This record gives sequence, structure tokens and C-alpha cells, in this order.
Amino acid sequence: SQELEQSPQSLIVQEGKNLTINCTSSKTLYGLYWYKQKYGEGLIFLMMLQKGGEEKSHEKITAKLDEKKQQSSLHITASQPSHAGIYLCGASKGGSQGNLIFGKGTKLSVKP
Amino acid sequence: GAGVSQSPSNKVTEKGKDVELRCDPISGHTALYWYRQSLGQGLEFLIYFQGNSAPDKSGLPSDRFSAERTGGSVSTLTIQRTQQEDSAVYLCASHRSGTPQYFGPGTRLTVT
Repeated sequence: SQELEQSPQSLIVQEGKNLTINCTSSKTLYGLYWYKQKYGEGLIFLMMLQKGGEEKSHEKITAKLDEKKQQSSLHITASQPSHAGIYLCGASKGGSQGNLIFGKGTKLSVKP
Repeated sequence: GAGVSQSPSNKVTEKGKDVELRCDPISGHTALYWYRQSLGQGLEFLIYFQGNSAPDKSGLPSDRFSAERTGGSVSTLTIQRTQQEDSAVYLCASHRSGTPQYFGPGTRLTVT
């Protein structure tokens, strides 16, 4: 079965610093989704990537899906305390979206 | 708002009791998903509805778990004879073709 591995598991950065979170799949990704979760809350959708080589940006967050479609990265530029939370990557198993499998998450803390 | 809503937000129940968790998806979203998030296990898929039908129930952990969806809208997840290992946050998500899954805030279930 497909598995998603995220790295690092946790990250503490100083406000203003850049950071990258990675998500590696054991199989080809047909759709890759990045979500953010704050403690006690649901998942907030960030970005969806479907094509190899695709890159999307929103505000200071950029997500990329590599050409071979087995790895994605999430890059945050000039981090702020509002970026703190748990970042989760999710992948569809192929074809139509269907249910998603998720990585274990990366916990990001941003020190003011 | 127009997001996915879930109720109750928190539920504490005694071992052996039955519980019902409710999900109201975004209007017009034909697909609805239930996931479970527990410490150390990450996010696990439980069941998927397309309209009122459940083509994928593969994630339900035991026959104590069941779910239904009526009118292509509201869904109820029922756990019978709750056990302590059922303690988790239960998340509901919905989407329609071409959109990502949007998640509700979750129901935190504690079985004592």
C-alpha cells in the first residue's frame, strides 16, 4: 500500500527564516494535497498539485511536485508566528480523488 | 459560514455506550469522507460516501462502526459499545469533482 513520509517530524525556526518540509511517497502520486492544522481544529486546505513539475504559490508558501511525482516540498519564506501549526501532506490513490492517505505531519513552531 | 460543520465538538462517554457523530457537508458536495485522527496513528480513512451510497467502507476498524448518509447531505457515524481505543478526533470532509476535500473542525471523542 502507498505510504507518505514527511520530514522533518518537527521544526523550530526563528521568525523571518525560510524553511522547507518534504513529503515522499512510496508510489507515484496522482494528486498531492497540503493541509495545515492547528491544535484542536480541522485541516485547512493550502494547495493541490497534480502534474509533475507543478509549482504553486500562495502568499509566502510555495509547494512543488517533482517531475517523477514521488516527492513534494512545501517552502515557507520569511516565516511568521501565524505559520505555526502541523503541516500534513495527503495523496489520492489514483484516478478520481477518492479517500486520501496522509503523512504523519510536520509540527512547525516559529519563535518571535 | 458555508464550511463543513460537525457536532458535537467534544464528546465524553463511558466504555460500552453508543455514540453518534454528525457531519453537515458543504452544500452541493456529493462526496463525503470520515477520517479518524489519533495520537501516534495520524489520519486514517474510515468511509467514503458518494451521494447516499458508500462505495468504500474499507477503513472502518470493526463492525461496531457504521455510518449513513441521507438526502445526499448529512452523515452520521455511529460507534456501538465504545472502547477506550476509540478515543480520537473524528474528522469529516466533503468535496465535489475538481475541488479538494474541505474538512470540518472535528469531534473529539473520549471514552472513559
